[in-house]
Amino acid sequence: DAKTTQPNSMESNEEEPVHLPCNHSTISGTDYIHWYRQLPSQGPEYVIHGLTSNVNNRMASLAIAEDRKSSTLILHRATLRDAAVYYCILLRTGANNLFFGTGTRLTVIP
Amino acid sequence: KAGVTQTPRYLIKTRGQQVTLSCSPISGHRSVSWYQQTPGQGLQFLFEYFSETQRNKGNFPGRFSGRQFSNSRSEMNVSTLELGDSALYLCASQSRGSTDTQYFGPGTRLTVL
Repeated sequence: DAKTTQPNSMESNEEEPVHLPCNHSTISGTDYIHWYRQLPSQGPEYVIHGLTSNVNNRMASLAIAEDRKSSTLILHRATLRDAAVYYCILLRTGANNLFFGTGTRLTVIP
Repeated sequence: KAGVTQTPRYLIKTRGQQVTLSCSPISGHRSVSWYQQTPGQGLQFLFEYFSETQRNKGNFPGRFSGRQFSNSRSEMNVSTLELGDSALYLCASQSRGSTDTQYFGPGTRLTVL
């Protein structure tokens, strides 16, 4: 499985934008970039995914570098409910096993 | 739609025993995956079932097994429990597979004494 590298932790002030980076230098052409998050005492929750183009949904935006070796999850206005561990995962077309790294623990400061 | 449900939510067993955990996927979903989460190893993929067949398997010993029924409900079994099997076991359901979103249940917290 292709690996991803994320900072262990980040902090953000409430209602400020948050940019969570992810490096995936060994990504292959058929790897999708998925983001999941895990709130305390819950199972992981899907956030967003993309292949080459930037993506937006109601939860977040995903900015993918042109060479696809890195991506950034953007939360436009962090709330206290966004405090979670965020996982950046590469998923090869046809594969179903999500490989969770250590993720980034996001702390939101009121 | 109801979400993914897992039973039981909490379980305490002793070494050497065996345990069966159950997962009911979202209605209409045919793929069920199982994951183990521990503080030391993080979230690790166990196996995935699709239409009653194991389609993918992670790197776990044969003591960990699973099955899927015709209604897509799935069970996983761990035999000869070890202390290191204490973990949160998560089940995720998926509509078809591949890049479809996986929806996770709340997990079963297993403690082995």
